[in-house]
Amino acid sequence: DTAVSQTPKYLVTQMGNDKSIKCEQNLGHDTMYWYKQDSKKFLKIMFSYNNKELIINETVPNRFSPKSPDKAHLNLHINSLELGDSAVYFCASSQLRDRYNSPLHFGNGTRLTVT
Amino acid sequence: GIQVEQSPPDLILQEGANSTLRCNFSDSVNNLQWFHQNPWGQLINLFYIPSGTKQNGRLSATTVATERYSLLYISSSQTTDSGVYFCAGLNDYKLSFGAGTTVTVRA
Repeated sequence: DTAVSQTPKYLVTQMGNDKSIKCEQNLGHDTMYWYKQDSKKFLKIMFSYNNKELIINETVPNRFSPKSPDKAHLNLHINSLELGDSAVYFCASSQLRDRYNSPLHFGNGTRLTVT
Repeated sequence: GIQVEQSPPDLILQEGANSTLRCNFSDSVNNLQWFHQNPWGQLINLFYIPSGTKQNGRLSATTVATERYSLLYISSSQTTDSGVYFCAGLNDYKLSFGAGTTVTVRA
Protein backbone atom coordinates (compact mmCIF):
# COMPACT_ATOMS: atom_id res chain seq x y z
CA ASP A 1 0.00 0.00 0.00
CA THR A 2 1.45 3.34 -1.07
CA ALA A 3 1.33 5.78 1.86
CA VAL A 4 1.72 9.04 -0.08
CA SER A 5 1.03 8.84 -3.78
CA GLN A 6 1.33 11.59 -6.33
CA THR A 7 0.49 11.69 -10.02
CA PRO A 8 1.79 12.05 -12.58
CA LYS A 9 5.35 10.87 -12.07
CA TYR A 10 6.58 12.83 -15.09
CA LEU A 11 5.06 15.91 -16.65
CA VAL A 12 6.45 17.55 -19.78
CA THR A 13 4.68 20.64 -21.02
CA GLN A 14 5.21 23.89 -22.86
CA MET A 15 5.57 27.37 -21.47
CA GLY A 16 2.28 29.12 -20.86
CA ASN A 17 0.29 25.95 -20.21
CA ASP A 18 -1.67 25.19 -17.02
CA LYS A 19 -1.09 21.87 -15.26
CA SER A 20 -2.04 20.06 -12.05
CA ILE A 21 -0.30 17.55 -9.83
CA LYS A 22 -2.38 15.38 -7.52
CA CYS A 23 -1.46 13.95 -4.12
CA GLU A 24 -3.22 11.54 -1.82
CA GLN A 25 -2.20 10.05 1.52
CA ASN A 26 -3.71 7.04 3.26
CA LEU A 27 -1.85 7.43 6.55
CA GLY A 28 -4.67 9.29 8.29
CA HIS A 29 -2.42 12.33 8.74
CA ASP A 30 -3.90 15.76 9.35
CA THR A 31 -1.29 17.81 7.48
CA MET A 32 0.00 17.76 3.92
CA TYR A 33 2.81 19.66 2.22
CA TRP A 34 4.26 20.55 -1.14
CA TYR A 35 8.02 20.81 -1.49
CA LYS A 36 10.01 21.88 -4.52
CA GLN A 37 13.43 20.37 -5.26
CA ASP A 38 15.52 22.43 -7.63
CA SER A 39 18.34 21.32 -9.91
CA LYS A 40 20.83 21.67 -7.04
CA LYS A 41 18.78 19.21 -4.99
CA PHE A 42 17.71 21.84 -2.47
CA LEU A 43 14.31 21.07 -0.91
CA LYS A 44 12.13 24.04 -0.09
CA ILE A 45 8.66 24.07 1.36
CA MET A 46 5.96 25.75 -0.70
CA PHE A 47 2.66 25.13 1.07
CA SER A 48 1.16 23.24 3.96
CA TYR A 49 -2.45 22.42 4.79
CA ASN A 50 -3.68 21.26 8.17
CA ASN A 51 -7.18 19.78 8.11
CA LYS A 52 -7.85 21.59 4.80
CA GLU A 53 -6.67 24.91 6.20
CA LEU A 54 -3.64 26.66 4.71
CA ILE A 55 -1.00 27.09 7.42
CA ILE A 56 2.19 27.67 5.45
CA ASN A 57 2.43 29.74 2.30
CA GLU A 58 6.02 30.53 1.45
CA THR A 59 7.12 33.09 -1.08
CA VAL A 60 5.70 31.32 -4.09
CA PRO A 61 4.35 33.01 -7.25
CA ASN A 62 0.57 33.22 -7.19
CA ARG A 63 0.56 31.14 -10.38
CA PHE A 64 0.84 28.24 -7.94
CA SER A 65 -2.41 27.41 -6.20
CA PRO A 66 -2.83 24.49 -3.80
CA LYS A 67 -6.23 22.95 -3.23
CA SER A 68 -7.19 20.57 -0.44
CA PRO A 69 -10.66 19.05 -0.94
CA ASP A 70 -10.19 16.94 2.19
CA LYS A 71 -7.36 16.17 4.56
CA ALA A 72 -6.28 13.14 2.54
CA HIS A 73 -5.73 15.12 -0.67
CA LEU A 74 -3.62 18.12 -1.60
CA ASN A 75 -3.39 19.08 -5.25
CA LEU A 76 -1.13 21.68 -6.84
CA HIS A 77 -2.28 23.69 -9.81
CA ILE A 78 0.18 25.78 -11.78
CA ASN A 79 -0.91 28.46 -14.24
CA SER A 80 1.10 29.97 -17.08
CA LEU A 81 4.06 27.64 -16.65
CA GLU A 82 7.54 29.13 -17.01
CA LEU A 83 10.91 27.54 -17.73
CA GLY A 84 11.99 28.20 -14.13
CA ASP A 85 9.17 26.01 -12.83
CA SER A 86 11.04 22.94 -14.03
CA ALA A 87 11.85 20.94 -10.90
CA VAL A 88 10.80 17.91 -8.93
CA TYR A 89 7.74 18.52 -6.76
CA PHE A 90 7.26 16.37 -3.69
CA CYS A 91 4.11 15.90 -1.69
CA ALA A 92 4.41 14.91 1.97
CA SER A 93 2.24 14.33 5.00
CA SER A 94 2.55 14.20 8.78
CA GLN A 95 0.42 14.27 11.90
CA LEU A 96 0.89 17.86 13.05
CA ARG A 97 -1.29 17.35 16.10
CA ASP A 98 1.44 15.01 17.27
CA ARG A 99 4.34 16.82 15.61
CA TYR A 100 6.80 15.89 18.30
CA ASN A 101 6.35 12.24 17.38
CA SER A 102 5.29 12.21 13.76
CA PRO A 103 7.88 12.03 11.00
CA LEU A 104 7.26 13.43 7.55
CA HIS A 105 6.42 10.92 4.81
CA PHE A 106 7.12 11.82 1.19
CA GLY A 107 5.61 10.75 -2.09
CA ASN A 108 7.86 9.68 -4.95
CA GLY A 109 7.90 13.08 -6.60
CA THR A 110 6.70 14.56 -9.88
CA ARG A 111 9.36 15.66 -12.32
CA LEU A 112 8.04 18.70 -14.16
CA THR A 113 9.84 19.80 -17.32
CA VAL A 114 8.76 23.01 -19.02
CA THR A 115 10.00 23.49 -22.59
CA GLY B 1 12.65 29.19 9.48
CA ILE B 2 15.80 27.74 10.93
CA GLN B 3 19.07 27.38 9.02
CA VAL B 4 20.39 23.86 8.53
CA GLU B 5 24.01 23.21 7.59
CA GLN B 6 25.23 19.82 6.46
CA SER B 7 28.80 18.67 6.07
CA PRO B 8 30.61 17.52 4.10
CA PRO B 9 28.79 18.47 0.89
CA ASP B 10 30.30 15.52 -0.95
CA LEU B 11 31.76 12.24 0.21
CA ILE B 12 33.42 9.49 -1.81
CA LEU B 13 33.86 6.17 -0.07
CA GLN B 14 35.39 2.86 -0.93
CA GLU B 15 33.01 -0.01 -0.28
CA GLY B 16 33.40 -1.21 3.28
CA ALA B 17 34.50 2.14 4.68
CA ASN B 18 32.82 3.97 7.57
CA SER B 19 31.81 7.61 7.57
CA THR B 20 30.08 10.34 9.57
CA LEU B 21 27.77 13.03 8.25
CA ARG B 22 26.98 16.09 10.31
CA CYS B 23 24.01 18.42 10.56
CA ASN B 24 24.01 21.72 12.50
CA PHE B 25 20.93 23.81 13.32
CA SER B 26 20.69 27.54 13.92
CA ASP B 27 17.92 27.15 16.50
CA SER B 28 16.28 24.47 18.61
CA VAL B 29 14.06 21.99 16.79
CA ASN B 30 10.96 20.06 17.83
CA ASN B 31 11.98 17.04 15.84
CA LEU B 32 14.71 16.01 13.45
CA GLN B 33 14.76 13.57 10.57
CA TRP B 34 17.39 12.03 8.32
CA PHE B 35 16.44 11.06 4.76
CA HIS B 36 18.20 9.22 1.97
CA GLN B 37 17.42 10.24 -1.58
CA ASN B 38 18.32 7.28 -3.74
CA PRO B 39 19.51 7.54 -7.36
CA TRP B 40 15.88 7.15 -8.50
CA GLY B 41 14.94 10.29 -6.60
CA GLN B 42 12.89 8.70 -3.84
CA LEU B 43 13.14 10.25 -0.38
CA ILE B 44 13.41 7.48 2.18
CA ASN B 45 12.95 8.05 5.90
CA LEU B 46 16.02 6.87 7.77
CA PHE B 47 15.58 8.21 11.27
CA TYR B 48 13.26 10.34 13.27
CA ILE B 49 15.55 11.41 16.11
CA PRO B 50 14.90 14.63 18.09
CA SER B 51 17.42 13.47 20.69
CA GLY B 52 19.52 10.48 21.69
CA THR B 53 20.86 7.66 19.55
CA LYS B 54 19.14 5.19 17.26
CA GLN B 55 20.45 2.34 15.15
CA ASN B 56 19.05 0.64 12.09
CA GLY B 57 21.33 -2.00 10.63
CA ARG B 58 24.54 -0.40 9.41
CA LEU B 59 23.20 3.09 9.98
CA SER B 60 22.95 4.93 13.25
CA ALA B 61 22.20 8.50 14.25
CA THR B 62 22.85 10.66 17.26
CA THR B 63 21.24 14.00 18.04
CA VAL B 64 22.53 16.32 20.75
CA ALA B 65 19.61 18.72 20.97
CA THR B 66 21.22 21.04 23.52
CA GLU B 67 24.14 21.64 21.15
CA ARG B 68 21.94 21.76 18.03
CA TYR B 69 23.58 19.07 15.95
CA SER B 70 22.98 15.58 14.69
CA LEU B 71 25.31 12.94 13.26
CA LEU B 72 24.59 10.10 10.86
CA TYR B 73 27.00 7.15 10.86
CA ILE B 74 27.35 4.79 7.95
CA SER B 75 29.33 1.66 8.71
CA SER B 76 30.66 -0.90 6.22
CA SER B 77 29.31 1.18 3.35
CA GLN B 78 27.83 -0.53 0.30
CA THR B 79 27.22 0.77 -3.20
CA THR B 80 23.50 0.87 -2.43
CA ASP B 81 24.24 3.56 0.17
CA SER B 82 25.02 6.01 -2.64
CA GLY B 83 22.74 8.99 -2.96
CA VAL B 84 22.04 12.23 -1.16
CA TYR B 85 21.52 12.33 2.58
CA PHE B 86 19.37 15.12 3.98
CA CYS B 87 18.71 16.16 7.52
CA ALA B 88 15.68 18.30 8.34
CA GLY B 89 14.54 20.03 11.48
CA LEU B 90 11.04 20.99 12.53
CA ASN B 91 10.65 24.41 14.12
CA ASP B 92 7.08 25.58 14.65
CA TYR B 93 5.23 24.12 11.63
CA LYS B 94 8.07 24.10 9.14
CA LEU B 95 10.47 21.29 8.32
CA SER B 96 13.63 22.96 7.00
CA PHE B 97 16.16 20.96 5.02
CA GLY B 98 19.90 21.13 4.75
CA ALA B 99 21.54 21.19 1.33
CA GLY B 100 22.43 17.50 1.63
CA THR B 101 25.56 15.37 1.53
CA THR B 102 26.12 13.52 -1.73
CA VAL B 103 27.62 10.12 -0.97
CA THR B 104 29.24 7.99 -3.64
CA VAL B 105 30.30 4.49 -2.65
CA ARG B 106 32.69 2.84 -5.09
CA ALA B 107 33.02 -0.92 -5.45
